[in-house]
Parts: sequence; structure tokens; C-alpha cells
Amino acid sequence: DGGITQSPKYLFRKEGQNVTLSCEQNLNHDAMYWYRQDPGQGLRLIYYSQIVNDFQKGDIAEGYSVSREKKESFPLTVTSAQKNPTAFYLCASSISTLGYTFGSGTRLTVV
Amino acid sequence: QQQVKQSPQSLIVQKGGISIINCAYENTAFDYFPWYQQFPGKGPALLIAIRPDVSEKKEGRFTISFNKSAKQFSLHIMDSQPGDSATYFCAASRGGSNYKLTFGKGTLLTVNP
Repeated sequence: DGGITQSPKYLFRKEGQNVTLSCEQNLNHDAMYWYRQDPGQGLRLIYYSQIVNDFQKGDIAEGYSVSREKKESFPLTVTSAQKNPTAFYLCASSISTLGYTFGSGTRLTVV
Repeated sequence: QQQVKQSPQSLIVQKGGISIINCAYENTAFDYFPWYQQFPGKGPALLIAIRPDVSEKKEGRFTISFNKSAKQFSLHIMDSQPGDSATYFCAASRGGSNYKLTFGKGTLLTVNP
């Protein structure tokens, strides 16, 4: 079945650590996105990539980094510079604006 | 700057009733308006979408109404069911090479049996 796989589902991070969230898609979609979801805040765009080896900052990119070395993969690193990383992170892909496909999310908690 | 404003934040409806969620946008360049449905612990899923060349689109019990002059669009859920209880997000984007979707803050819908 085609879709987006995010892993892990739950992730715990100690203060000062970097962590990487995985996002893989087998839909042959060109564009991929990372959103952060907080209660009452909706979905806020962190980074997006329209083609391999190219990506753009979204609205809340500070403290995050990404790479797009393969069409299928768009990992997100939450660095120690991100002041409030506890959130639900959603990865999505699309072949045009005509509909995103979202993964099931990773819930990151700082302990 | 919030480009897509969604209301209400939460909504409680009785089974069989009509649920109405409203969104307003600011950017007149937006030309694609989808609605997403999200269940707890899951990613959002596309429910229905509309382009500004039509004023209404219906798919089953779900209808989008679009008012271009007022820069508003709304989701109507007819004959609401307990299984419709979820968070609903409106969104908007420009076409062409800019793929970014801007989302509203979401509406938590509860349908009581």
C-alpha cells in the first residue's frame, strides 16, 4: 500500500539533545512537508521541499533542520536550539496542491 | 499574521443535526480551499476541497460553501453522526509552483448520540 510512514510514534528527548524524526513516502510525490501541531494552534509549517536537494523554511523553522537527499525521505532534526520542542509532528507529501497525504505523526516529549 | 481564521474553536451537535464550521482568509491569491478531518492520534485526511470558480461543492453529507467576495468558506455536515466527532481544519493555498497549505487553527466537533 502507498503511504507515508513516520517513525517513531513516540519519542522522548532530554534537554540539550538533538533528535531526528523519520518520514518516508512511497507515493512518488515530489513535495514533502513538516508541520508542528500544538493544542489550539492548528498546523504550523516548519520546512518544506518541492524537489530533491532543495528545501525552504516555513513559518517556524528556528531550531529545526531538514535534508532531502532522496525523493522518498525527508527527515526532521529537532535541535537543542528549539526552545519548546514538545509537540505532535506531522509529515506530509503531495504531488501538487490537490491534496496532501499525511503520516500518522510523531509525538515528541522533552523529559 | 494569521491568514486563515477558523471558527468556532469547538462545536457540540446532537446526532442528526447540522454542523457548520466557518473560515475566512485574507490573501486574495489563494485559489484552493481544502478541509481536513483528524481523529485523535492520527494525521489529518483530506475530506473535501473547492476552487473559487464554484460557490458550492457537495460530497455525500459534506458540503463546502464558498463566498469569494466575502473571502469566506464554510463546511456543512448534514445529519451529523457520532463517528464525525473529530477535529476539522480548513486550509488555503495558491496554485502553481507554491505548494504550501496554510491551515486554520481547527475546530473540535463533538456529536452527541
